[in-house]
Amino acid sequence: SAVISQKPSRDICQRGTSLTIQCQVDSQVTMMFWYRQQPGQSLTLIATANQGSEATYESGFVIDKFPISRPNLTFSTLTVSNMSPEDSSIYLCSVESTGAGPEKLFFGSGTQLSVL
Amino acid sequence: AQKVTQAQTEISVVEKEDVTLDCVYETRDTTYYLFWYKQPPSGELVFLIRRNSFDEQNEISGRYSWNFQKSTSSFNFTITASQVVDSAVYFCALSEHGDSSYKLIFGSGTRLLVRP
Repeated sequence: SAVISQKPSRDICQRGTSLTIQCQVDSQVTMMFWYRQQPGQSLTLIATANQGSEATYESGFVIDKFPISRPNLTFSTLTVSNMSPEDSSIYLCSVESTGAGPEKLFFGSGTQLSVL
Repeated sequence: AQKVTQAQTEISVVEKEDVTLDCVYETRDTTYYLFWYKQPPSGELVFLIRRNSFDEQNEISGRYSWNFQKSTSSFNFTITASQVVDSAVYFCALSEHGDSSYKLIFGSGTRLLVRP
């Protein structure tokens, strides 16, 4: 299993500012993912972050808006840049386990972001 | 293209009733994985099950059971003798494992309300 610590758990930000969300894992993992869950909606994959390479972004998400760092095998950050109220969402970090158990993906508890 | 459809937006039942949550998926791959997650009001994602496309055997875990039917591309989830603590949003998700990563496509979720 993997234990994921995500910070901050929630924040209220002003329009035009940026917020960096941190994701710390208690074990080394190759694949890390960032998801967004808009209010009352499902989860949408933003990007896949592998250590030592550029993040791979899904359609509709760009690096300028959501820059991602992956400096090592236990840590990643997602920045939400130049925020607008439409960015108000829960952002979740997810990691892929290499263990043999059925739970292959573990999720952090999320960062609830509100943009005023 | 991959797609997951959860046609039931919200279901309300009385405690002890059985309830089935529907999930229909679309994929062109022959190798894929299906997941169910529970998201209680606290917001975290709780893993329930992962099933690969080659295993059509139905599974039972306590009050939970899953019916996987490749012929109809469905992976339905039944809760027997529902309890108030089952109240949550339930997500069905699909992953194509072709590139060795569990990148998930989520359905829109079904909100289950179990009334005492």
